[in-house]
Amino acid sequence: IQLTQSPSSLSASVGDRVTITCRASRAISNYLAWYQQRPGKAPRLLIYTASTLQSGVPSRFSGSGSGTEFTLTISGLQPEDSATYYCQHLNSYFPGFGPGTKVDI
Amino acid sequence: QVELQESGPGLVKPSETLSLTCSVSGGSFSNYYWSWIRQSAGKGLEWIGRLYSSGSINYNPSLRTRVTMSIDTSKTQFSLELTSVTAADTATYYCARGVVVPPTIYFDSWGQGVLVTVSS
Repeated sequence: IQLTQSPSSLSASVGDRVTITCRASRAISNYLAWYQQRPGKAPRLLIYTASTLQSGVPSRFSGSGSGTEFTLTISGLQPEDSATYYCQHLNSYFPGFGPGTKVDI
Repeated sequence: QVELQESGPGLVKPSETLSLTCSVSGGSFSNYYWSWIRQSAGKGLEWIGRLYSSGSINYNPSLRTRVTMSIDTSKTQFSLELTSVTAADTATYYCARGVVVPPTIYFDSWGQGVLVTVSS
C-alpha cells in the first residue's frame, strides 16, 4: 500500500483552518493514523482509525475519511502546530507512512 | 506514563552491525507490540519490525534478511541488530510502542530517537 499526501507543504496563519489529504493506493477501510512531528522531536500520535482522537490531543485536530481518501483538519491553527504531519496505514504486519506535509505558521 | 529510551553507538562502520536497545519504563510491557522505526532524509519514516513479549516477530520484508529483534521482559528492554550496514542505513532510529487491534497497529508512544551514522 502506497500513501501520498497533499500538499507537501503549506503556510498558514494563526487561527486558520488547515486541511491535509492522504490518499492510499488501494482501499484500507478506516485503517489510518495521523502523527505530528515537530523539529528535532519524535512523531506524536494524533488520530487513529481515521477519526479517533488520541487522549490528550487538542480537539482542534480532527480526522475523516475511509477507503482511499482521508483528511486531517486543524481548526484554529496555533503557533505550536508548526510541524510535519504524517499519515500511516495500520496494516499490523507491514505498516507504512506517507511522505509528510510540512505546516509553517 | 510509559517512557522509551534508545541507546547504542551513534557511529557504525560500513559492513558492520548496528545494535540498539530500547529501555521501557512505566506502563505494561506485556500487552503491546514493540517496534523499531527509522527516519532518513531519503526515505522518510520506515517501519523496521515489531515483536511481542511472547516472542512473536514480524519484519519489514525489505530488511528481513539483515534484521534481528529480541526482547528481554525481565529488563523491559528490546533490541535491534541490523547487519551489513551501508550509508543508506544512516538514519534516526526510534523505538515505539505499538497498539494492536487486529488487523491494525498504531504507535502511541515513541522514544526520543538516536541518530546512527554509517561511516568509516
